[in-house]
Formats: sequence, C-alpha cells, structure tokens
Amino acid sequence: DTAVSQTPKYLVTQMGNDKSIKCEQNLGHDTMYWYKQDSKKFLKIMFSYNNKELIINETVPNRFSPKSPDKAHLNLHINSLELGDSAVYFCASSQDKAGNTIYFGEGSWLTVV
Amino acid sequence: AQTVTQSQPEMSVQEAETVTLSCTYDTSESDYYLFWYKQPPSRQMILVIRQEAYKQQNATENRFSVNFQKAAKSFSLKISDSQLGDAAMYFCAYRHMNRDDKIIFGKGTRLHILP
Repeated sequence: DTAVSQTPKYLVTQMGNDKSIKCEQNLGHDTMYWYKQDSKKFLKIMFSYNNKELIINETVPNRFSPKSPDKAHLNLHINSLELGDSAVYFCASSQDKAGNTIYFGEGSWLTVV
Repeated sequence: AQTVTQSQPEMSVQEAETVTLSCTYDTSESDYYLFWYKQPPSRQMILVIRQEAYKQQNATENRFSVNFQKAAKSFSLKISDSQLGDAAMYFCAYRHMNRDDKIIFGKGTRLHILP
C-alpha cells in the first residue's frame, strides 16, 4: 500500500564500493525525484525525471547516476562511494512536473565507512 | 534564486499549548506553492499543509493553520493544542507553480513538546 517505496532503508558500505537504491511509486505520477538530506538535516534536490526523461540535474558528482526504466521507477546508482556520501536519500513523486504536492518515500539511510 | 529561511533552529512548547513556527522566503515570482512538511524521528517526510500563493485565505488542516503574508513573503505555521506526536523537524518549502522546478526547503525547525 505504500505510495512511494524505496529499498534498502538502511545501507552500510565501505568506501570505494558501488551501490544502488531503488524507488517505486504506485500513485500513477509522471514525475519522480531524488533528494539528499545531509547530517545537518538540509534537504536538497539531486535529480528529477518526468516520464523517464531527466528534467532536473543539480550539481551532483558524476558518480551519481539515476535511471528510470519506466515512469513508476527511479533508481539511484552511486559509484566509488565516499565518506561524504553518507546521508539519507529520499525518493519522491508528484502528479506531473508542476505538481502541487510532492510525496516522499521513507528514505534510505546510507552510511559509508 | 528563490530561498527559504527558517530563523528558529529549535523551539519548545508545553503540551496542549499553541506554537508558531516562522518561515520567510524570497522570490520574484507571483505564482507558487508553499508547504510545511513534518519529519518525525522515523524520518518520513509528511506533508502538513499547502498554500497556493493566489489564494488569500489561509490554509487550515485540523490543528494546523498558516499565516500567509504574500507582500511580506512570510508563511508561518501555527500548531494549536500541541500533542506529543507533534514533536518533529518542520520544514518550510517553496515551489514555483506551473513550471518544472524543484521544491526548495528551509533548514528546518526542531519542535520539542514538553509534557
């Protein structure tokens, strides 16, 4: 029943590893997002996709690569993980790219050691 | 560029009392949305209330209401009859209307409820 679901919820991994976080929404929305929340709780957009097309790409290292196989899924792959990548990553969706409400997943807590 | 400022990093309120969280924003646009999101210890981001800038009437959701002052670019959240479950981080956010744009968050206010 979860509207926006992301896996895994917790991930501990070593520096240099490659990891992926998956996200799925069952709301029928066209637009999906990835946000990063750092240790100071600051939330910042990373990417946004609308119907599988990338529409927002903030200044994010190339090690981060989003992939949207269909409009209900937006995965985040991170290569060569660094300590500074430790954060909570939130997936979200909205009806369309100008949607008046964004619905968030429960977050994926990534810790790089 | 649009910015959202929450000047109160932390606040405390006695249970059953009323508390107001402040938020100001900066934009040159006239059509936009403003939001308050709640993030409890579970980390889930929960939409509390939404205001469309073209509406003069302040939005209300049960015990939560806003004071939207468009000219002053102020958007405060009032929580009445505070409950222990209201303890959380509260984020004020802005999004331009009718444009593919990101939602911009303030840095949050941590609200403590004192029993």
